[in-house]
Formats: sequence, C-alpha cells, structure tokens
Amino acid sequence: KAGVTQTPRYLIKTRGQQVTLSCSPISGHRSVSWYQQTPGQGLQFLFEYFSETQRNKGNFPGRFSGRQFSNSRSEMNVSTLELGDSALYLCASSQGLAGVQTQYFGPGTRLLVL
Amino acid sequence: AQSVTQLGSHVSVSEGALVLLRCNYSSSVPPYLFWYVQYPNQGLQLLLKYTTGATLVKGINGFEAEFKKSETSFHLTKPSAHMSDAAEYFCAVNRLGNYGQNFVFGPGTRLSVLP
Repeated sequence: KAGVTQTPRYLIKTRGQQVTLSCSPISGHRSVSWYQQTPGQGLQFLFEYFSETQRNKGNFPGRFSGRQFSNSRSEMNVSTLELGDSALYLCASSQGLAGVQTQYFGPGTRLLVL
Repeated sequence: AQSVTQLGSHVSVSEGALVLLRCNYSSSVPPYLFWYVQYPNQGLQLLLKYTTGATLVKGINGFEAEFKKSETSFHLTKPSAHMSDAAEYFCAVNRLGNYGQNFVFGPGTRLSVLP
C-alpha cells in the first residue's frame, strides 16, 4: 500500500497570507490527524478528523482549521499567517476504528513564513 | 492530563555500544505507548508499540522496549548501535478518549552515533 502523502513538501509564505496543506491517508484509513512540529514546542496535536467530522482538537487558535473529504483526504488551512507558524506540519492516518490505533505519518510539509 | 518525559535531549554513543533512550509517562489510565523515529527531513516512522500483553516489545531495526508499570517507564534499547541509527526518537502515549484518539509526544531525544 502507498503510504501517507502530503503536498506540497515545502512552502514559503508571507505574514498575513493564508495557506492550505493537503494530506492523503493510507488507503482504507478513515482517521487523519495533524501535528505541528517546531524546535521549541516539539510535536503538538492540532486536530483529528474521522468520517468528515472533527473528532478531537488541540489547543490552537481558530486560525487553524481543517476538513476531511468523503475519500478521507484532508486539508488543513492556516489563515492570517504569523512568523510563529513556521514549522513542519505532519499528517498521520489510522484506521480510526474502535480501540487504540497506530498512526502512520507522512513526510510533512515544511512551511516558512517570512 | 497525560504527559511524556524523555530524559536527555541528546544522547551520544559509539558504534557498537548499547543504546538506551529513556521515556517516562504519566497517565491516569492504562496507557498505550509508542516509540517513533524521525530521520532528517522525514516524517515519523513507528519503531514499536505496547498496548497489552507481554511487557517486552520488539520492534524494527533491532530495537526493543520494556513497559514497567511500577516505574511508569517505557525505555528504548538496542544492544549495538549502528551509524544508521542516528536520528531523533520520540516516545508517545495514546489514550483512547471519548471520541477518537489523543496522542501526546515527548520532546524527543536526538541520538548521535560516533564512529
């Protein structure tokens, strides 16, 4: 099976702009989670989607939003970008069924905000 | 709230030496524990996981970890380090919440392997 894919891999934006990142999960996986990774804060959970519904949310401002489509692909949007949003954004997928699931990660999208 | 601590942000070992990366967790309910590895400019790759059953868990690339409930620890070991093991390692705890999952990652330990 193909792994988790994320596009684009690299992105440069300026403050105030908005950005949309895309994640395609492993075939058959219905849960998609997003994480922000920075040197200072480490890996922080953004949100999780399952069957097109947000199921869990981390402690991030409303500028960070996401959605999931019927084919389980997910997008993450950040509006009004700030310098501090520069980070590696990781997407992870799992089957999302009952019980604890192993998450499989994509390669990430590296966002640089200037 | 659950949390994960990893003692040592940077660990250096010589090639062929024992690798020991420490992980302690706090959780009010039985945890599910994971170790992930991240190579430069890549995502996270699952090394091993503990859910239930045998407390000594074997993973890929010769790594293993032992769940010790009394010590709330899940340390990662490898008998003999290889140059290719140089990477960042993350311990994570996952507790199934009312809805979905809640993964909490430790701050990571960067492993350097010296020739």
